[in-house]
Amino acid sequence: DGGITQSPKYLFRKEGQNVTLSCEQNLNHDAMYWYRQDPGQGLRLIYYSQIVNDFQKGDIAEGYSVSREKKESFPLTVTSAQKNPTAFYLCASAGLPNTEAFFGQGTRLTVV
Amino acid sequence: AQKVTQAQTEISVVEKEDVTLDCVYETRDTTYYLFWYKQPPSGELVFLIRRNSFDEQNEISGRYSWNFQKSTSSFNFTITASQVVDSAVYFCALHYNQGGKLIFGQGTELSVKP
Repeated sequence: DGGITQSPKYLFRKEGQNVTLSCEQNLNHDAMYWYRQDPGQGLRLIYYSQIVNDFQKGDIAEGYSVSREKKESFPLTVTSAQKNPTAFYLCASAGLPNTEAFFGQGTRLTVV
Repeated sequence: AQKVTQAQTEISVVEKEDVTLDCVYETRDTTYYLFWYKQPPSGELVFLIRRNSFDEQNEISGRYSWNFQKSTSSFNFTITASQVVDSAVYFCALHYNQGGKLIFGQGTELSVKP
């Protein structure tokens, strides 16, 4: 089935460790996005990519990094520089600008 | 600045009441797209509707309706005869051409009580 897959669903890490969240889509979409969701703050854009080998910072990119080596994949690394990494992370992909974005099920990251 | 504002953080209604969720946006672009999404407790966002900036026609889909007014930069969402299953967080979003960003409002948590 076509869709967008995030893994794992739950992730625990010790403070100071980098961690990579996976996002894969088989919808042949050019655009991909990463969002962070905290209670009461909605979805905040971390990074987005409109084409392979290119990506742009969103509104809260500090402490995060991404890569877009393949059209299907857009992994997000939460580095030790991110001061408050515990959150719910959502990945999305979209085709043309006038079409809706499809979302993964999300990864809940807890840093202890 | 490009921005989406959902001023209502939480709304609580009793089943069968009508409820309107407000969305106000800001953009310098003349071409843009507006969306509404629903986030049930499972966490995955579900697409509800999209509108482009050149189409101000209101839309009705079953119990759902949307009112798009460029003059007030608003794209409001009304649920008629609400049901308990409508309980969720609802997000309004804006996609604008300059840079290709897709940004969301803060979300409105709707609670429909039996």
